[in-house]
Amino acid sequence: GAGVSQSPSNKVTEKGKDVELRCDPISGHTALYWYRQSLGQGLEFLIYFQGNSAPDKSGLPSDRFSAERTGGSVSTLTIQRTQQEDSAVYLCASSLAFGNGPQYFGPGTRLTVL
Amino acid sequence: KNEVEQSPQNLTAQEGEFITINCSYSVGISALHWLQQHPGGGIVSLFMLSSGKKKHGRLIATINIQEKHSSLHITASHPRDSAVYICAVRSNYGGSQGNLIFGKGTKLSVKP
Repeated sequence: GAGVSQSPSNKVTEKGKDVELRCDPISGHTALYWYRQSLGQGLEFLIYFQGNSAPDKSGLPSDRFSAERTGGSVSTLTIQRTQQEDSAVYLCASSLAFGNGPQYFGPGTRLTVL
Repeated sequence: KNEVEQSPQNLTAQEGEFITINCSYSVGISALHWLQQHPGGGIVSLFMLSSGKKKHGRLIATINIQEKHSSLHITASHPRDSAVYICAVRSNYGGSQGNLIFGKGTKLSVKP
């Protein structure tokens, strides 16, 4: 595709439910990044993938958060037992290789936990 | 203290003014990014630089590695430049190599 796409664009869920957020990177980009932007806050790094591997999970806020990437392409970010503080815009970005070149951002998924 | 500091936090300018946004960082880096986030939330990568200066249209970005400082300049500003400008650095230390560390952003409003 022409750019990074994310789905859904908006997600409203009840506290305690699980949610899955999807990211389709630019074709050929081996590196994929997940970020979070809470209301009124700056961007926060969550996790990155080089290929299907995620060497650094230290940015994930809690063990309720997990991410996977299969086939070196699509990635899903899963939040289990959502809490109100999980409400944020979740952004995905990709680059040609990890730490190499500009990162291209998707439009984000706005998650609201009621 | 944040690892990436931006100033000013908010900036209001009149159309046509020359604008400078500053970014200072305290960690070792391999690259610095300037990003633009529009009111709708979309983020665009403006520049990635590791030394010197880059120019694209009315935008100029400079970096001084020794001083750990970068500036983003906008010449002949226009209302459509109104956005949040974010400085982000790619660290080169430890297990966080390659991760972007973000500044809190500078909100620019350009009045006609």
